[in-house]
Amino acid sequence: AQSVSQHNHHVILSEAASLELGCNYSYGGTVNLFWYVQYPGQHLQLLLKYFSGDPLVKGIKGFEAEFIKSKFSFNLRKPSVQWSDTAEYFCAVLGTGANNLFFGTGTRLTVIP
Amino acid sequence: GAVVSQHPSWVICKSGTSVKIECRSLDFQATTMFWYRQFPKQSLMLMATSNEGSKATYEQGVEKDKFLINHASLTLSTLTVTSAHPEDSSFYICSARDIGAEAFFGQGTRLTVV
Repeated sequence: AQSVSQHNHHVILSEAASLELGCNYSYGGTVNLFWYVQYPGQHLQLLLKYFSGDPLVKGIKGFEAEFIKSKFSFNLRKPSVQWSDTAEYFCAVLGTGANNLFFGTGTRLTVIP
Repeated sequence: GAVVSQHPSWVICKSGTSVKIECRSLDFQATTMFWYRQFPKQSLMLMATSNEGSKATYEQGVEKDKFLINHASLTLSTLTVTSAHPEDSSFYICSARDIGAEAFFGQGTRLTVV
């Protein structure tokens, strides 16, 4: 069975601070990994995804994530956050052969100007 | 990216009535659509997987007679909450996947049952 854990429930940062959001997954096979963002009042949008190849994935708006297979992790990072990054961030996993995404519980990021 | 449109975005209904939520893929054909429910401060919980032209597959604990799902075409799936009660109040989100495995989401429907 698939599962995804996001240990940070709410992160508060000042502008220009660096960000790292944790994501760990459980699945006994090859996975596709995703980070989605949900801005206030808006729908989920894809930030970045990992299918194969280079484990360091760069996404939109300066975000990146690194897939560490040995740690079953796919942490999201951004070197310098902006107020506009305030949103809810969801990590998701799609196991090979599975049909649907499994989501973590989400991390609320609040960036203080 | 592809666009998934969900309608309505907000609905208030009386207890005992039924509500239909539509999910459309606007610029691609989605053979499979997914319906999620999101509780406050919680993650998206998959309710069912909807395949075009066949019966939906419901997750454990989801009442299929209460949450009716129809996927009559490659671009439209509907979720009908029948005989709604206040505990059905929630945020419902649909999703459709293209052939690249990336999922696109509708903007969600906030249902309030009074």
